[in-house]
Amino acid sequence: EADIYQTPRYLVIGTGKKITLECSQTMGHDKMYWYQQDPGMELHLIHYSYGVNSTEKGDLSSESTVSRIRTEHFPLTLESARPSHTSQYLCASSEQGGFNSPLHFGNGTRLTVT
Amino acid sequence: AQSVTQPDIHITVSEGASLELRCNYSYGATPYLFWYVQSPGQGLQLLLKYFSGDTLVQGIKGFEAEFKRSQSSFNLRKPSVHWSDAAEYFCAVGVSGGYNKLIFGAGTRLAVHP
Repeated sequence: EADIYQTPRYLVIGTGKKITLECSQTMGHDKMYWYQQDPGMELHLIHYSYGVNSTEKGDLSSESTVSRIRTEHFPLTLESARPSHTSQYLCASSEQGGFNSPLHFGNGTRLTVT
Repeated sequence: AQSVTQPDIHITVSEGASLELRCNYSYGATPYLFWYVQSPGQGLQLLLKYFSGDTLVQGIKGFEAEFKRSQSSFNLRKPSVHWSDAAEYFCAVGVSGGYNKLIFGAGTRLAVHP
């Protein structure tokens, strides 16, 4: 039922590689978000966007960067992956920024950096 | 500071038994409260939310939650658990501000015995 897609689902990569995690949604939502999720820990917001050409950092400091050139696409990039980046990354979108508009989550990308 | 505590990391119940998952929040203003569920390998899905009004809210999949301001709690309940309810459950509080954000708890993993 998800209209928000993340690729790849799993990624194992060596230290120092550049990686891009893809996130696309077909709902026309302006608001998009990236969360980081470690096992047994809270989800933490690392990036969000209110629309095209808008990107902001979230609560949790992250070495990743994002871009929003098209409404439907919100990729996350790590220029040089490190083992500390090993985590699950969840992308989400919402129709509006208020709480009346629920978050729609993708299935996540589980990243392992060796 | 705003926070969400889910005291139970892992709960196991028998199929058909009742369920209550605990959630306590810390937030100075009137809270917006949410419960999300994450099935294995999936993203998070909204179960229910509380904004105001009736303190007992109904959600999808037969779940309900009760807001108790005096106890700063928003516990999730289901009268009869099904094997398909095995998942991880996240409580969240919405914090108004420069951007509306959700603060998540660390989650409760539910296992269901046949």
